[in-house]
Amino acid sequence: SAVISQKPSRDICQRGTSLTIQCQVDSQVTMMFWYRQQPGQSLTLIATANQGSEATYESGFVIDKFPISRPNLTFSTLTVSNMSPEDSSIYLCSVGVQGREAFFGQGTRLTVV
Amino acid sequence: GENVEQHPSTLSVQEGDSAVIKCTYSDSASNYFPWYKQELGKRPQLIIDIRSNVGEKKDQRIAVTLNKTAKHFSLHITETQPEDSAVYFCAASSNYGQNFVFGPGTRLSVLP
Repeated sequence: SAVISQKPSRDICQRGTSLTIQCQVDSQVTMMFWYRQQPGQSLTLIATANQGSEATYESGFVIDKFPISRPNLTFSTLTVSNMSPEDSSIYLCSVGVQGREAFFGQGTRLTVV
Repeated sequence: GENVEQHPSTLSVQEGDSAVIKCTYSDSASNYFPWYKQELGKRPQLIIDIRSNVGEKKDQRIAVTLNKTAKHFSLHITETQPEDSAVYFCAASSNYGQNFVFGPGTRLSVLP
């Protein structure tokens, strides 16, 4: 298994500002993933973060809006830029362990006002 | 790309009854199918998974079946308990744990 620490757990932000979410894993992992979960909805993959290369974004998500860093094999950040109320959501990081299940961080509940 | 559908969206059962949730997927290359349980305000947690070379897997009150030909898999919960109440997500992956596509979720309520 993997232990994932994600912070902040929640935040309330003004529109037009940016928030950086951090994700720390207790072991080295090749790939880390960032998901968005809108209220009452399923999980949607934003991007895959590989160490040493640019993140790979899914359709509908762009680097300018959601820049990602992956400086080493245990850490990643996701920034939500120029926020609007539509960005209010839960953001989760996850990792795959031994090519199997995904383990999730506890999530960041973002409210944009 | 992969598309995962899940039914029903909500399910209410009496305590002690069984619950069945069904998912279909579109990509025949998908080879790993986990099920996640998400309680209110908490992170999704794996409850059971199955790989494409297996037709059925059971873990106490929970079982999963996979029909590769029909491209569907199901979660079966027997002897349901109130603590089983949660949202359940199925998912499919074509790379054994990477690039997950999640179903829309099923809200299960177990009534005492």
